[in-house]
Amino acid sequence: AQSVTQLGSHVSVSEGALVLLRCNYSSSVPPYLFWYVQYPNQGLQLLLKYTTGATLVKGINGFEAEFKKSETSFHLTKPSAHMSDAAEYFCAVRPYNTDKLIFGTGTRLQVFP
Amino acid sequence: EPEVTQTPSHQVTQMGQEVILRCVPISNHLYFYWYRQILGQKVEFLVSFYNNEISEKSEIFDDQFSVERPDGSNFTLKIRSTKLEDSAMYFCASSDRQGDTGELFFGEGSRLTVL
Repeated sequence: AQSVTQLGSHVSVSEGALVLLRCNYSSSVPPYLFWYVQYPNQGLQLLLKYTTGATLVKGINGFEAEFKKSETSFHLTKPSAHMSDAAEYFCAVRPYNTDKLIFGTGTRLQVFP
Repeated sequence: EPEVTQTPSHQVTQMGQEVILRCVPISNHLYFYWYRQILGQKVEFLVSFYNNEISEKSEIFDDQFSVERPDGSNFTLKIRSTKLEDSAMYFCASSDRQGDTGELFFGEGSRLTVL
């Protein structure tokens, strides 16, 4: 069965610092890949997704992620963290021929002034 | 901006009681989903629904669970006889089409606490 691993349940960065949230998936066939963000007391919001084509994907709020097939990774980055980026971030995959998303356990991002 | 709305935001119930969680998907969407997240654990897929029938369901979605679209706007999840382990945040989602470009729009969740 496919799975998603997010290394680090909590990540803390200073405002202005690089944000790196790690995501690895297990699959012999690259699935579709997603990052979702959840702000306090809100639902899950799509940040970005990779389906086909360019492996560097740009999303909302200055985030981007790079699909690396050789490393089975889809890490999320942002060059400069902002206080408003504090939230929970979920990596997810959607295997081919299925309609469901498989989520990682999430990473809570804290941003310090 | 269109959004998925869920009610109630929090429900406390006694073990063995029936619970209905309600969702109003985005109006032109045709694909509907329920996910749940037990505290401290992953968000897990429960069921997908299209054209008035279940299109896919997980092992979690046993006979105690059912979904319905009773009136063309609401999408409900019913748990017939709740167990302690059903305590979780339940997320509804909808999409305008299946496939890789069919983004899922999630609601804010309904927190279910079973005592």
